[in-house]
Amino acid sequence: DAGVTQSPTHLIKTRGQHVTLRCSPISGHKSVSWYQQVLGQGPQFIFQYYEKEERGRGNFPDRFSARQFPNYSSELNVNALLLGDSALYLCASSWTGEEQYFGPGTRLTVT
Amino acid sequence: QKEVEQNSGPLSVPEGAIASLNCTYSDRGSQSFFWYRQYSGKSPELIMFIYSNGDKEDGRFTAQLNKASQYVSLLIRDSQPSDSATYLCAKRPSNTGKLIFGQGTTLQVKP
Repeated sequence: DAGVTQSPTHLIKTRGQHVTLRCSPISGHKSVSWYQQVLGQGPQFIFQYYEKEERGRGNFPDRFSARQFPNYSSELNVNALLLGDSALYLCASSWTGEEQYFGPGTRLTVT
Repeated sequence: QKEVEQNSGPLSVPEGAIASLNCTYSDRGSQSFFWYRQYSGKSPELIMFIYSNGDKEDGRFTAQLNKASQYVSLLIRDSQPSDSATYLCAKRPSNTGKLIFGQGTTLQVKP
């Protein structure tokens, strides 16, 4: 079975720009969560979606938004990028939110 | 106090030894616990999860949970150089899909 997929793998953006990151969960999983991981730290929770509804939001500014589609794939959008948004963005897939399996991540660099 | 705390290490053990990784957490509320392994430049990989007090074994790995002491540990028996990685401890409060991570402990297994 295919695992969690994310695209793109790497991305370089300029301050002030917008970015869209994509995630496809494991087949049969209905929940997708997004995390941000900066170097040397554990992942920080951004959002959880289950059955296309937002079920949780972490302590991130409104520049961050997400949505989940009928096929359970998800997008994370970040507006007005700041240098501090440079990080590894991880998508995690689960049946309902318990055991979460991570995708390979998208490495975002903001210059 | 951080919600999940880990010693960043590095923890160095010889090949074949038992590696003991520790994690403490705040809040005595109902929650479950997860151990992830993360190789440098890769995404976290789920190793084990534990919900109840006591030990849970899976191959060379044993997770231990002590709710009274608010302490979770991961034991790796017969450590191999391929076990060298950062180990992330996470808790998930009940009825949420949010994982709260520690900063991770770097393990080095020397041949």
